[in-house]
Formats: sequence, C-alpha cells, structure tokens
Amino acid sequence: DAGITQSPRHKVTETGTPVTLRCHQTENHRYMYWYRQDPGHGLRLIHYSYGVKDTDKGEVSDGYSVSRSKTEDFLLTLESATSSQTSVYFCAISVRAGGETQYFGPGTRLLVL
Amino acid sequence: KQEVTQIPAALSVPEGENLVLNCSFTDSAIYNLQWFRQDPGKGLTSLLLIQSSQREQTSGRLNASLDKSSGRSTLYIAASQPGDSATYLCAVRDNAGNMLTFGGGTRLMVKP
Repeated sequence: DAGITQSPRHKVTETGTPVTLRCHQTENHRYMYWYRQDPGHGLRLIHYSYGVKDTDKGEVSDGYSVSRSKTEDFLLTLESATSSQTSVYFCAISVRAGGETQYFGPGTRLLVL
Repeated sequence: KQEVTQIPAALSVPEGENLVLNCSFTDSAIYNLQWFRQDPGKGLTSLLLIQSSQREQTSGRLNASLDKSSGRSTLYIAASQPGDSATYLCAVRDNAGNMLTFGGGTRLMVKP
C-alpha cells in the first residue's frame, strides 16, 4: 500500500457543509494526488501537489481546494459540499523508482445528502 | 486531450482460460502506461508499469504489452483463476504533465 492512509474512510454530510479529507504518507514522496471515482466517469484527477505548498489543478477541480503544509499530508477540502460531490475519493502518490509508478490509498466514501 | 478506452467493459471466462484485456489511447505521446487491479469497494493495486520505451513487462501470470505508435496496450492473463476476478484499469501518463488518464475498466469474472 506504499504507506498511504486516508481519513475518514466513510463520511455522510449535508449539502452546504464544509468537508476535509486527509491523505497521509509515510515515505516522503514529492508528488501526491487526489482523484474521484464515479460510475460512468471512471477515475478523474481533482488536484495534485508536487511539493510543500505547491499544488495544481486537475481535470475536475471546481468546488475543491487542497493544501499541503507538510510533505506527508495532503488535504482535500470541499468548501460547501454538494450532492454532485458524492463519490469515492482516492489519494495517490508517485514513486520515482521504477519509472513513476502511482500507488493509491484505500479511498474515502463520501455521501452528501 | 488524451482519451483512454477499454474494451470489453465486462468479461466472463471459465477458470484456466488465457485471456487478453485491451486498452487504447488517442495520443501516442505518452510517458508510461500502468495497469491496475481494483477489487469491489477497495483501492487500486498497481500490477504493471510500462515505460514508453518498453514493449512489454511481465509479472507472474501477467504480461502487459505496449504499442505506442498504434495507441494500444494489452494485458495478458495466463491460466486465469477465480481470484483474478476484479476490475482491471489501464492509465496513461502523458509526456506533458503529471496526471494519469484512466480508462473505464474491464470487469473480469473468472468462474470456477
């Protein structure tokens, strides 16, 4: 699992509330990613980070923000959750050894009512 | 914009059969291609990574090939087992950026 944990693993929240998901890695890899997975859309990149305080947008970044104040933690925030953000969220890291392989965390299931 | 397609979307085979999963991509300027396995309700497990300069990679009963010029990759599974039942995803990393573009996956069921 490349030392990746995500918290919480499951969350139910209401429309309009803020939500923060945490991704934690133990191996000090530079690149970290947030994806969402939805039926019919597959996995899509939300944001990624290439270092502390260095982040960039992915394909579906609207409604999401991220922060990375420490190498090991990458936070995804939904400022005001909407039902369309109900999804499974995966964090990933990129490991350079062997050619930039991405390894994924176990996922967070988010339900926005 | 890179697009990745996996056909078929679902596949059911009897145990012991050799099988091939297909992945195609529209932009051949790729950095690498990665195959993943995903079990229901779980995260993604990396199976094989093929660099753009490579033709194939092997791991146990799995063999992945890459034909960059035609925009295709295949994942060959030899002597399939019920434990191979899962969704298989391919993902392409472009030269231009750091993001992976995923295919929709092939849901494989191996029947005992």
